[in-house]
Amino acid sequence: EVQLVESGGGLVQPGGSLRLSCAASGFTFSSYNMNWVRQAPGKGLEWVSDISSGSATIYYAHSVKGRFTISRDNAKNSLYLQMNSLRAEDTAVYYCARGDGYNLGYFDYWGQGTLVTVSS
Amino acid sequence: QLVLTQSPSASASLGASVKLTCTLSSGHINYAIAWHQQQPEKGPRYLMKLNSDGSHSKGDGIPHRFSGSSSGAERYLTISSLQSEDEADYYCQTWGTGIRVFGGGTKLTVL
Repeated sequence: EVQLVESGGGLVQPGGSLRLSCAASGFTFSSYNMNWVRQAPGKGLEWVSDISSGSATIYYAHSVKGRFTISRDNAKNSLYLQMNSLRAEDTAVYYCARGDGYNLGYFDYWGQGTLVTVSS
Repeated sequence: QLVLTQSPSASASLGASVKLTCTLSSGHINYAIAWHQQQPEKGPRYLMKLNSDGSHSKGDGIPHRFSGSSSGAERYLTISSLQSEDEADYYCQTWGTGIRVFGGGTKLTVL
């Protein structure tokens, strides 16, 4: 069974940093692109970042480029999101999502999310 | 610009059918999309990938009640024999090189 479990969320002050983790199991992690998607309170889904299976190709949404860094450790079956210079508008539930097996660009499994709150 | 448009809300009666619509922006009408369901207080769940010709492939364990179809720039999700647990937000999603895009979502109420 595919499982994605996010952790690392919490309360952080504006301008601060936070590192999210996603532990993957039930599939060959090193064979799949992985993504972060977020959802602000009461709002829709917003894609944040994508990393290819071997980390060679990385994409970011304009809203986070230059502030967030996605990475992965295939030996540990883990995905990460380093978030710096956090703003109030980054407050959201952050989901880890597996990319489809054909590397097209959709998400075929999701985690349950971890809440990040940016507030003073 | 790659944009997906969804109606904010829809409703249908228990046991009935409902058809949700996702519209692709001009210049992108041949794009495939994916449909995702988000039940209250839960993470999203992948339902299916839907191609421009209407062919679709569903995710693991998705009931037969869920089906997809396409016409021009429109991509549809039809849910038949509505059950209470189908009350959820439904998002369409598409992709291009270096970009992933979600529609605004449709909140489905089962009456």
